[in-house]
Amino acid sequence: DSGVTQTPKHLITATGQRVTLRCSPRSGDLSVYWYQQSLDQGLQFLIQYYNGEERAKGNILERFSAQQFPDLHSELNLSSLELGDSALYFCASSVAGTSYEQYFGPGTRLTVT
Amino acid sequence: DQQVKQNSPSLSVQEGRISILNCDYTNSMFDYFLWYKKYPAEGPTFLISISSIKDKNEDGRFTVFLNKSAKHLSLHIVPSQPGDSAVYFCAARGGSQGNLIFGKGTKLSVKP
Repeated sequence: DSGVTQTPKHLITATGQRVTLRCSPRSGDLSVYWYQQSLDQGLQFLIQYYNGEERAKGNILERFSAQQFPDLHSELNLSSLELGDSALYFCASSVAGTSYEQYFGPGTRLTVT
Repeated sequence: DQQVKQNSPSLSVQEGRISILNCDYTNSMFDYFLWYKKYPAEGPTFLISISSIKDKNEDGRFTVFLNKSAKHLSLHIVPSQPGDSAVYFCAARGGSQGNLIFGKGTKLSVKP
């Protein structure tokens, strides 16, 4: 158990809909990272927040957005969903903004039908 | 354009033998490399790392080697155990930002 929690574990929704994925980092960690893993792909970095502020942005679509709240939990919002958005979404956390080691949650499996 | 490549999607090894997982990268600015292990239905778990200023790091049965001139790193597992069967991801840290760039993974199967 990494100490990072993600909810929900599974999510099935229809194209065009909007969903919110939630992540709680390890106790004491200030940074949260979001990654997407599509079929046969490695983990693609989406976005990082550090202590409530956006720190780095990767290949995140404009239809996706995220935020980190004062209690340090983070939410990833996916809107106007398309079939290609079906993937595993992982959240990771680390102590600092540029920590070498990131601790991953169990992931949320999103299926868009 | 893949900056971190794991060219072998799978590897099968006999229990007790050495497992060697390979990873190539293209960006010479990467300053830190990590290996993660992932079991089905779980998130990746940190395994071992190496700074770009070193060429070897060892932790128990796991050793990572870095060849900067070849932009190549490898993970050696000796001796391999059935519990090591998992997908192994190589990752590189992209300089000043904390995010990691991952390879597509290699599925290791250790046969009893």
